[in-house]
Amino acid sequence: DIQMTQSPASLSASLGETVTIQCRASEDIYSGLAWYQQKPGKSPQLLIYGASSLQDGVPSRFSGSGSGTQYSLKISSMQTEDEGVYFCQQGLKYPLTFGSGTKLEIK
Amino acid sequence: EVQLVESGGGLVKPGASLKLSCVASGFTFSDYWMSWVRQTPGKTMEWIGDIKYDGSYTNYAPSLKNRFTISRDNAKSTLYLQMSNVRSEDTATYYCTPISLYGGYSGYFDYWGQGVMVTVSS
Repeated sequence: DIQMTQSPASLSASLGETVTIQCRASEDIYSGLAWYQQKPGKSPQLLIYGASSLQDGVPSRFSGSGSGTQYSLKISSMQTEDEGVYFCQQGLKYPLTFGSGTKLEIK
Repeated sequence: EVQLVESGGGLVKPGASLKLSCVASGFTFSDYWMSWVRQTPGKTMEWIGDIKYDGSYTNYAPSLKNRFTISRDNAKSTLYLQMSNVRSEDTATYYCTPISLYGGYSGYFDYWGQGVMVTVSS
């Protein structure tokens, strides 16, 4: 199985701050990576697919980058509505696997 | 608007069986591979498995393939998850989701239902 190691496990950021979340795959996943946001009590929502493609309707302050085994999600200006848990997911090989999540809070 | 409505969850005893359903609307259900994903109370996300658009092929997480079975009824736009011999570690919220492909090779989940909770306890 491809292991997805996400970091940090939690972080707090001030309004307007730039936030970066990392995800490392145990092998090359050729940009086959998606990012999801989950707000408390809600279902996950897709933010990014293909490592860097922004899902329709997602604010442009979210961006994804990376290649090979190393990927990151950046929020360019933290907003209150960005609080939640963020997950990465590889879609290259079965079984599809997720990172352990990053809990993001407002400082 | 895409809608996915899961049902069939609840409190079940260890060793019992349970069948979850997911009714889909707002897209052509029979065109999509469909997947089940679960999330534990500790927020761990786990892919359970998926099924081809015509129901002819399935894939499962190795740890679950002997106990879980995914099926579908395209005429009813409904996805199913049959769970057998459930254990406490199956306690989770279960989501159904269509699979989209990036570049034709990488699956991701662009729509999620509200989920259905399954609690396994004696």
